[in-house]
Amino acid sequence: DAKTTQPPSMDCAEGRAANLPCNHSTISGNEYVYWYRQIHSQGPQYIIHGLKNNETNEMASLIITEDRKSSTLILPHATLRDTAVYYCIVRPQSSNYKLTFGKGTLLTVNP
Amino acid sequence: DTEVTQTPKHLVMGMTNKKSLKCEQHMGHRAMYWYKQKAKKPPELMFVYSYEKLSINESVPSRFSPECPNSSLLNLHLHALQPEDSALYLCASTLAGTFNTEAFFGQGTRLTVV
Repeated sequence: DAKTTQPPSMDCAEGRAANLPCNHSTISGNEYVYWYRQIHSQGPQYIIHGLKNNETNEMASLIITEDRKSSTLILPHATLRDTAVYYCIVRPQSSNYKLTFGKGTLLTVNP
Repeated sequence: DTEVTQTPKHLVMGMTNKKSLKCEQHMGHRAMYWYKQKAKKPPELMFVYSYEKLSINESVPSRFSPECPNSSLLNLHLHALQPEDSALYLCASTLAGTFNTEAFFGQGTRLTVV
């Protein structure tokens, strides 16, 4: 399974964009990159996923580099409610639906 | 309905007790998951069911016994647990047959073993 590396913590000012990096240099060509977040004491919440192209939805944008070895999750206007642990996950397509969490990044949005 | 419902929300049990955690979804998802999460750690995968059959067991001790009685329900039977098994137990579900799909998580059952 492709391993992901994320910074353990980041800070962001409220109203500014939060850019969360993820390194997945061993990703295979048909593996998706998923982002989830977990607000304290709640279940993880899906944010976005992508394969090769950049993706955007109502929550965030996902920028995947051309070589697919890294990606960035962008929260365009961070709010205090975006304070959470953000997990970048590479999902293998030959592992019987395995979804494995790494250590994630604790994003703290400050007023 | 895009919810995964877990019951109970909190559970305290003694080491000799038998209890069960329940998870339910009505999204037509045929892959369901149990995770265990200790404080300040990421969720750890325990079991995966696909089409009501156990497809992944991450070497979980036999005191945890999963069951998938139908496509909407997932149970986790607990027996003779240890205090170190105290954790947040999370259930999730996804569509089966595709990896281009999001997982929906329940809010978890916070288990305390005394």
